[in-house]
Amino acid sequence: DIQMTQSPSSLSASVGDRVTLTCRASHTISSNLNWYQQKPGKAPNLLIYAASRLHTGVPSRFSGSGSARDFTLTISSLQPEDFATYYCQQSYSTSYSFGQGTKLEI
Amino acid sequence: QVQLQESGPGLVKPSQTLSLTCAVSGGSISTGNYYWNWIRQPAEKGLEWIGRIYSSGTTNYSPSLKTRVTISIDTSKNQFSLRLTSVTAADTAVYYCARGDVDIALVTWGQGTLVTVSS
Repeated sequence: DIQMTQSPSSLSASVGDRVTLTCRASHTISSNLNWYQQKPGKAPNLLIYAASRLHTGVPSRFSGSGSARDFTLTISSLQPEDFATYYCQQSYSTSYSFGQGTKLEI
Repeated sequence: QVQLQESGPGLVKPSQTLSLTCAVSGGSISTGNYYWNWIRQPAEKGLEWIGRIYSSGTTNYSPSLKTRVTISIDTSKNQFSLRLTSVTAADTAVYYCARGDVDIALVTWGQGTLVTVSS
């Protein structure tokens, strides 16, 4: 199994802040890393795939980077609608896995 | 635009089998470079990938659940299904179905359905 570890588990920030979320894989996963945003009571939405590719319709303030085991999701200037929980997910192995999530709070 | 909708019993007794179906609309389940997934999320917890199936019938499962899980596909009904046997309270969760786009990720999700395991 490939374990995904996200840090921090929660993060307090303000509108306009630049924030960086981290995800680490237990084994190298090349660039097979995806990021999702989830708001309470809703299904997750894809933000970033293949570590750094912005999914269609996602604002450009979101960006992803990294490869092998270490990855980051950066939000350049937080907007009120960005307060949510963010999950990373590896798609390297035939058995996918998610990180435990980072809750972004005001 | 493709849409997914989960359906099935909201309450299952311990030791019984949980069965859910995901109906796909707005596109064919048997065409394109897609794979069809089940993911679950216990209340106030994170996402857990359960498994996936391709239109060919090839499946992959989470190692932690593989002894209890079966995912199947019915192309004639444009739907795919999840069976989870010998359930316990730990299987109580919101269950999501999702379409994976090859070379992208889990792009399209259903709204989720809550399944509670209780006597």
